Amino acid sequence: EIVLTQSPATLSLSPGERATLSCRASQSGSSYLTWYQQKPGQAPRLLIYDASNRATGIPARFSGSGSGTDFTLTISSLEPEDFAVYYCQQRSNWLLTFGGGTKVEIK
Amino acid sequence: QVQLVQSGAEVKKPGASVKVSCKAFGYTFTSYNISWVRQAPGQGLEWMGWISTYHGDRKYAQKFQGRVTMTTDTSTSTAHMELRSLRSDDKAMYYCARDGHTYGLDCWGQGTLVTVSS
Repeated sequence: EIVLTQSPATLSLSPGERATLSCRASQSGSSYLTWYQQKPGQAPRLLIYDASNRATGIPARFSGSGSGTDFTLTISSLEPEDFAVYYCQQRSNWLLTFGGGTKVEIK
Repeated sequence: QVQLVQSGAEVKKPGASVKVSCKAFGYTFTSYNISWVRQAPGQGLEWMGWISTYHGDRKYAQKFQGRVTMTTDTSTSTAHMELRSLRSDDKAMYYCARDGHTYGLDCWGQGTLVTVSS
């Protein structure tokens, strides 16, 4: 079973700053790495699929990269609505695994 | 539009079972699998399993094997998730999500809060 480790656990930044979130897999599984955003009291929202493809309606300031075991979600310039928790998720051998999440909070 | 609507909150006693439903709107139900994900209070997301709405195949996370059953009713475009032998640590928000495989979980239900209390 693949374990996904997200870092940092918390990222304190100001609006307009760049956010870089990391997701590391315990083994190289697939490139089917997905990123979600979750705000308090809401269901998660799909941001990025297949490591680097933005989902429908996701602003261009969100980008994903990586392969193998190391993946990154970058928010180029934080907007007030981007402060939330971000989860990565990978699919391997018909199983899905989520990372523990990174909280992006206002500094 | 594409939407998943889940059944309402449940309160159960330890040892009981709960069945959560998830009704799909706005797309062909059998074209996508359904995954179930839960989230304990203040915790992260935990994948429970998925079901093929076309074939009926299922894959459960090992943690829930033997305690969970996922089913679908294609006549009503509804998926169900039953969890048995409930414990206090099963208290969580339970979500269904449309599973686009490599395209991710692209539509989520609003969540169903399950509380387990004696």
